[in-house]
Amino acid sequence: KNEVEQSPQNLTAQEGEFITINCSYSVGISALHWLQQHPGGGIVSLFMLSSGKKKHGRLIATINIQEKHSSLHITASHPRDSAVYICAVGNTGNQFYFGTGTSLTVIP
Amino acid sequence: SQTIHQWPATLVQPVGSPLSLECTVEGTSNPNLYWYRQAAGRGLQLLFYSVGIGQISSEVPQNLSASRPQDRQFILSSKKLLLSDSGFYLCAWSVYTDTQYFGPGTRLTVL
Repeated sequence: KNEVEQSPQNLTAQEGEFITINCSYSVGISALHWLQQHPGGGIVSLFMLSSGKKKHGRLIATINIQEKHSSLHITASHPRDSAVYICAVGNTGNQFYFGTGTSLTVIP
Repeated sequence: SQTIHQWPATLVQPVGSPLSLECTVEGTSNPNLYWYRQAAGRGLQLLFYSVGIGQISSEVPQNLSASRPQDRQFILSSKKLLLSDSGFYLCAWSVYTDTQYFGPGTRLTVL
């Protein structure tokens, strides 16, 4: 079993839809990260959070430490949001564990 | 501001040949450094991480090795490449397990 599980693996949405990507983890963490990987391969860090909720533009990330679960929400989705979204957790031992990613396609 | 460089951007190598990928970071001191591999259709896999010069932790046994000869330099090497070494290699840095900053990556094809 992977330390980090994401769902769904693939997601297709119409432009404007509200999107949710889920992440569950099984290890103790110091922080959880949401990453975005574009088709060219480049990876950008979207959020780092250890509790509660963070918002950046149309992106919202939440985490429930007790349930070991996080969600990434995209409001009013746009074709430029099409990318692979990766959940990662970091522990106090300087290690990171990654989910396999959710491939999002937003259709105009 | 901090920047991270990786080179080369793409590489095509024959099976059995050596490999050297370099990663350098600017604008920060004593960062944690990481090497990841992403095989086609698969998630990121942590290969090595380093918390300081000469300190390397290996996550996956394989024919790859890593070295950190300077504070902001991280090198991934192999003496003899295998077909299964093909993939997208990413270097990243962070302060402890804070936000990770990724390099542009090296796409390696082993033929």
